[in-house]
Amino acid sequence: DIQMTQSPSSLSASVGDRVTITCRASQGIRNNLGWYQQKPGKAPKRLIYAASSLQSGVPSRFSGSGSGTEFTLTISSLQPEDFATYYCLQHNSYPLTFGGGTKVEIK
Amino acid sequence: EVQLVQSGVEVKKPGESLKISCKGSGYRFTSDWIGWVRQMPGKGLEWMGLINPGDSDTRYSPSFQGQVTVSVDKSITTAYLLWNSLKASDTAIYYCARYDCTGGSCSFDFWGQGTLVTVSS
Repeated sequence: DIQMTQSPSSLSASVGDRVTITCRASQGIRNNLGWYQQKPGKAPKRLIYAASSLQSGVPSRFSGSGSGTEFTLTISSLQPEDFATYYCLQHNSYPLTFGGGTKVEIK
Repeated sequence: EVQLVQSGVEVKKPGESLKISCKGSGYRFTSDWIGWVRQMPGKGLEWMGLINPGDSDTRYSPSFQGQVTVSVDKSITTAYLLWNSLKASDTAIYYCARYDCTGGSCSFDFWGQGTLVTVSS
């Protein structure tokens, strides 16, 4: 199974900050990775697919990069509505595996 | 508009069986796989399995193989997640999601609202 190691597990940041979240795969997954945002009591929402493609309707302050084993999700200027938990998901091979999540909290 | 609407809250006892549902609308239901994802209280997301509504082909996570069954009735555009004998550790929110593979890269693009399952004696 491919392990997805996501870091940090939590972070505190202020509105306007640049935030970077990383996922490392235990083996190469090409660009077969997506990023999801989940707010309390809500279903996850896709932000990024194919490692760097922005989901339609998602603000351009979100971006994804990486290929192979290292991937990043960047929020260029954190907004109040971005406080949530973020997950990566690899779909290169079965079983599909999520990262452990990153909780972004208000400083 | 693509929608996945899941069945409501369930409260069950250990050993009971359960089937929860996920009804798709607003797209060609047989064109995309449907996946199921578990979220235990206060925990992260875990992929459970996938089903192809067109031919009922399935894929399971080893962690859930033999513990649950995914099925589909394409005539009513509905996918199901079934347990034969629930355990307290099955208490969780269960999400269905459409597994979109447009352009050769797949991901879960639309999600149901989640079904809370509580198993307690």
